[in-house]
Amino acid sequence: AQSVAQPEDQVNVAEGNPLTVKCTYSVSGNPYLFWYVQYPNRGLQFLLKYITGDNLVKGSYGFEAEFNKSQTSFHLKKPSALVSDSALYFCAVREKGGGFKTIFGAGTRLFVKA
Amino acid sequence: DAMVIQNPRYQVTQFGKPVTLSCSQTLNHNVMYWYQQKSSQAPKLLFHYYDKDFNNEADTPDNFQSRRPNTSFCFLDIRSPGLGDAAMYLCATSSPPPNEQFFGPGTRLTVL
Repeated sequence: AQSVAQPEDQVNVAEGNPLTVKCTYSVSGNPYLFWYVQYPNRGLQFLLKYITGDNLVKGSYGFEAEFNKSQTSFHLKKPSALVSDSALYFCAVREKGGGFKTIFGAGTRLFVKA
Repeated sequence: DAMVIQNPRYQVTQFGKPVTLSCSQTLNHNVMYWYQQKSSQAPKLLFHYYDKDFNNEADTPDNFQSRRPNTSFCFLDIRSPGLGDAAMYLCATSSPPPNEQFFGPGTRLTVL
C-alpha cells in the first residue's frame, strides 16, 4: 500500500533563511512524487514533481526537492524563505502503473517570520 | 486563463437535505476528481472520472454520488448530508498520470 509521511506538523523559519519541509514515502513500485501548497480557504497549487531522471527537481516560486531513493524521501527546500511562503504544504505520491489515486501526506504548516 | 471553477464557494445545508456541488474546467483535461478535506487535513479522494469512466473509492460512503455530463462539468451530490460531512470539497483535473492535478478553490460545506 502507498503511504506518505510528513513528520513535522509545523516548521518555523526566519525570513531569508533556508527552509526544508520533510517527506518520506512508501510504495511497492516506483513512485511519482509531488509537492502542493495550500493557502487559507483555497485549493491546492502544484509546486513540483519527480517523475524520472535528475534527482533534483526545481519548481515554482524558487522551491526545489530532492528525490532520494535509498532513503525514500522527497524533501522540499528553498534557499531563502519569504513571509509569503507561509502556507500548508502537502507531499503526495502516486505509484507508477498504480492508476489515478494520489496519496497525500497530512501536511506541514510553514511559518516564515519577518 | 485556463482554470478549475467551483460553485458555490460556501454552501450551507440542513441535516438530511440533499445538496449538489459543481465543478467546471477550461483545461480540457479528461480526468476529474472529487476530494473531501477536513480541517486542513490531507485531501481524501472520493472518486474520479477518466472521460466517462467513473471510479469510486472503496471507502466512499454511498451517500456521495457524482455525475459528469460532459468533459467540462462534474457534480458532487450528497444525498442526505450528516454533520460529519461538513468539510471542504475540492475538485481537481488532470491529464492522465503522471501529470499533476489542478485544483479548484473548493466549496466549504456547512451542515446545520
